[in-house]
Amino acid sequence: QVQLQESGPGLVKPSETLSLTCTVSGGSISRGGYYWGWIRQSPGKGLEWIGSIYYDGSTFYNPSLQSRVTISADTPNNQFSLKLSSVSATDTALYFCARLRVGGAMPTDYWGQGTLVTVSS
Amino acid sequence: DIQMTQFPSSLSASVGDRVTITCRASQSITTYLNWYQQKPGKAPNLLIYDASNLHGGVPSRFSGSGSGTEFTLTIASLQPEDFATYYCQQTYRSPPTFGRGTKVEIK
Repeated sequence: QVQLQESGPGLVKPSETLSLTCTVSGGSISRGGYYWGWIRQSPGKGLEWIGSIYYDGSTFYNPSLQSRVTISADTPNNQFSLKLSSVSATDTALYFCARLRVGGAMPTDYWGQGTLVTVSS
Repeated sequence: DIQMTQFPSSLSASVGDRVTITCRASQSITTYLNWYQQKPGKAPNLLIYDASNLHGGVPSRFSGSGSGTEFTLTIASLQPEDFATYYCQQTYRSPPTFGRGTKVEIK
């Protein structure tokens, strides 16, 4: 059974960088067949896909966030991370890490429980 | 981005009712459509992928249909644990986008 767990600060100051890590158990992020990604949810924007990383290191980002987002992998520790720079109040959201299955409609079949990040001074 | 419109945005139903939720895409997405269920304080859970395929472990009272721009999620006989918010998602064109959800409440 694959499990994902987000970790990181729950409060970030405006203009700073939001950093989150997702620890995966029950499955290896260095094996093909799955993307590993970040999705956020806020009352204003609903569910929003941020980006994903594949086992070969290739990344795919939402164009609306691309200039501020970096997703990277730490394969020895079976973790992947999100960095979102120059945050503002509109980046306040519940952030989920997730696994996306390659093929067809690429469903997101496993999700972390989510971590709330608030942007405020 | 492809816009996903769900309707209704909310509905009230009773246990045992048949419930249908519709999702419309702003352009054809063939069958690149997934459905998720989300309960308060929890992450979404995958129900249906590729428009009509039931994810493992999901009860057979859930079904999905459609292709192109119009899709439906049907719950054949609503159970108490089905009261939740349901989202559709397209992955035909990046970025993947979600509908704004349909909240199913107890009548």
